[in-house]
Amino acid sequence: AQKVTQAQTEISVVEKEDVTLDCVYETRDTTYYLFWYKQPPSGELVFLIRRNSFDEQNEISGRYSWNFQKSTSSFNFTITASQVVDSAVYFCALRRNEGGGADGLTFGKGTHLIIQP
Amino acid sequence: GAGVSQSPSNKVTEKGKDVELRCDPISGHTALYWYRQSLGQGLEFLIYFQGNSAPDKSGLPSDRFSAERTGGSVSTLTIQRTQQEDSAVYLCASSLALRGVSDTQYFGPGTRLTVL
Repeated sequence: AQKVTQAQTEISVVEKEDVTLDCVYETRDTTYYLFWYKQPPSGELVFLIRRNSFDEQNEISGRYSWNFQKSTSSFNFTITASQVVDSAVYFCALRRNEGGGADGLTFGKGTHLIIQP
Repeated sequence: GAGVSQSPSNKVTEKGKDVELRCDPISGHTALYWYRQSLGQGLEFLIYFQGNSAPDKSGLPSDRFSAERTGGSVSTLTIQRTQQEDSAVYLCASSLALRGVSDTQYFGPGTRLTVL
């Protein structure tokens, strides 16, 4: 069985602070995929990043960066110089690598990030 | 359209009635997924379609839930004899699902179902 844990239910920071959202996962699969999605108040889930289990390179995209550590089964997400528009619920998700290319995502419970002006 | 669309955006129904939720995937996406988001359970995967077939229906919460997809495009999720615990946001996603290649699921805006 797969499991994703986002221990931080809610984080509140002041604008311009850096913030890290934690994600720990469990899987018996040797290959798998990890994702982060953002859900702003409008409700639609917005894709942020996908990471393969065999690629442990960290990634940076603007103010966003992701740290994947297979040894600790973690895939943490950092926002640098946070902005009010970053306020949202962020979900970490896991998907097994099935040959068919399609399978459901296992989501964490989400972290509600509040950026105060 | 450019993204996944779902209808209706909101649905209020009475306990015991049947409801149909519709999902229109991104053009060209062969895989389609249904999820449910509720306060208590978070985001739950329900079912996916590869083309018109659903290989695994075990994620559906009960036999009151069914889903179909025709023509490799539009899908409907039907809930029969709705119960109050069915109240949730039902999300649909689609992906290219190329064999042997992971892909990304893109989500629609959801249908908020309220069962009175």
